[in-house]
Amino acid sequence: DSGVTQTPKHLITATGQRVTLRCSPRSGDLSVYWYQQSLDQGLQFLIQYYNGEERAKGNILERFSAQQFPDLHSELNLSSLELGDSALYFCASSLGQYLTNTEAFFGQGTRLTVV
Amino acid sequence: KNQVEQSPQSLIILEGKNCTLQCNYTVSPFSNLRWYKQDTGRGPVSLTIMTFSENTKSNGRYTATLDADTKQSSLHITASQLSDSASYICVVTRGWKNNNAGNMLTFGGGTRLMVKP
Repeated sequence: DSGVTQTPKHLITATGQRVTLRCSPRSGDLSVYWYQQSLDQGLQFLIQYYNGEERAKGNILERFSAQQFPDLHSELNLSSLELGDSALYFCASSLGQYLTNTEAFFGQGTRLTVV
Repeated sequence: KNQVEQSPQSLIILEGKNCTLQCNYTVSPFSNLRWYKQDTGRGPVSLTIMTFSENTKSNGRYTATLDADTKQSSLHITASQLSDSASYICVVTRGWKNNNAGNMLTFGGGTRLMVKP
């Protein structure tokens, strides 16, 4: 158990809908990262928050947004969903804001299926 | 372009045998290289992390090597077990030129390993 908790584990929704994925980082970790893993694809970095503020942005679509709350949990909002958004969404957390010298711990992921 | 390429894409070995997975990268500037194990439908779990000055690092039956000159890494699994069946992902962290770059993990596509009895 990495200590990173993601909910829900599975989500099935229709095209055009909006969903929210939730992540609770390991106790004490200040950074939260979101990644997307499509079928048979590598993980793609979406966005990072550190202590409530956005720190880095990757290949995140405009239809997607995220935030980190004062208790450090984070939510990833996906709107106007398309079939191609079906994927595993992982959250990771780390103590520091840079991964150059700190470990990242991954949650078990949320499997999103858009039908 | 910053890329991480892994080979082979998939591998089947018999229980008890050894195997070696390869990783080539073009990520720059380089900060560190990590190997993760990912069971199907689960989150990646870190096996090793190596910085520029480290040539080899072990974690139980897993031994990773790094050649920063040729930008190559390998993961050697000794005396494989059925529980080693998983995807193994090579991940390179970029050093930062600005605040954004310092947070980028570049993931390889993974090697899917199946260990058969």
